[in-house]
Amino acid sequence: RKEVEQDPGPFNVPEGATVAFNCTYSNSASQSFFWYRQDCRKEPKLLMSVYSSGNEDGRFTAQLNRASQYISLLIRDSKLSDSATYLCVVKDTGNQFYFGTGTSLTVIP
Amino acid sequence: DTEVTQTPKHLVMGMTNKKSLKCEQHMGHRAMYWYKQKAKKPPELMFVYSYEKLSINESVPSRFSPECPNSSLLNLHLHALQPEDSALYLCASSPRAGGFTGELFFGEGSRLTVL
Repeated sequence: RKEVEQDPGPFNVPEGATVAFNCTYSNSASQSFFWYRQDCRKEPKLLMSVYSSGNEDGRFTAQLNRASQYISLLIRDSKLSDSATYLCVVKDTGNQFYFGTGTSLTVIP
Repeated sequence: DTEVTQTPKHLVMGMTNKKSLKCEQHMGHRAMYWYKQKAKKPPELMFVYSYEKLSINESVPSRFSPECPNSSLLNLHLHALQPEDSALYLCASSPRAGGFTGELFFGEGSRLTVL
């Protein structure tokens, strides 16, 4: 069983749409949670950390459900520039970060 | 601009060559990582250094040899690689080692081609 499971997509959505990505993790002792964005042939970049109370950054909202071991990312009013791969990342109590397979998003004009 | 600097950005080498990838960060981060990434796959952990000591080695073949000369530098020495080792090699750092480390900061990567 993988540490982090993520729907690989692809998600193809029109501009202005709302899209949601989900991720589950297997280790209940996991400590920190993140969404990273990776553009083609570039390095991953932190989009946002995910907190138990949920957090929002502009058009992006992240949620964490520790009981269900589930993380989500909601993107509202999608822009063409949101097209990328979104990686769910979970950290254990040591130095190990676990990556989901990534979800590919294409926003269509 | 990333605060983790990797050199070279591109490297082409033959299977008998010896080369090194270099990574530098001046953020005072205490953990540094090497990842390997193939196309359309997530990064795959190779090595973790905590406080300049190797703390995780994910059963990486010995043709990859990491080195951490000091808290700011991380090298990956390459020798007798195979064509299937061609990939993007990503260096990353995190503020703390163990516990709540904070997020990973990635360098731009070194794209390696083995002929």
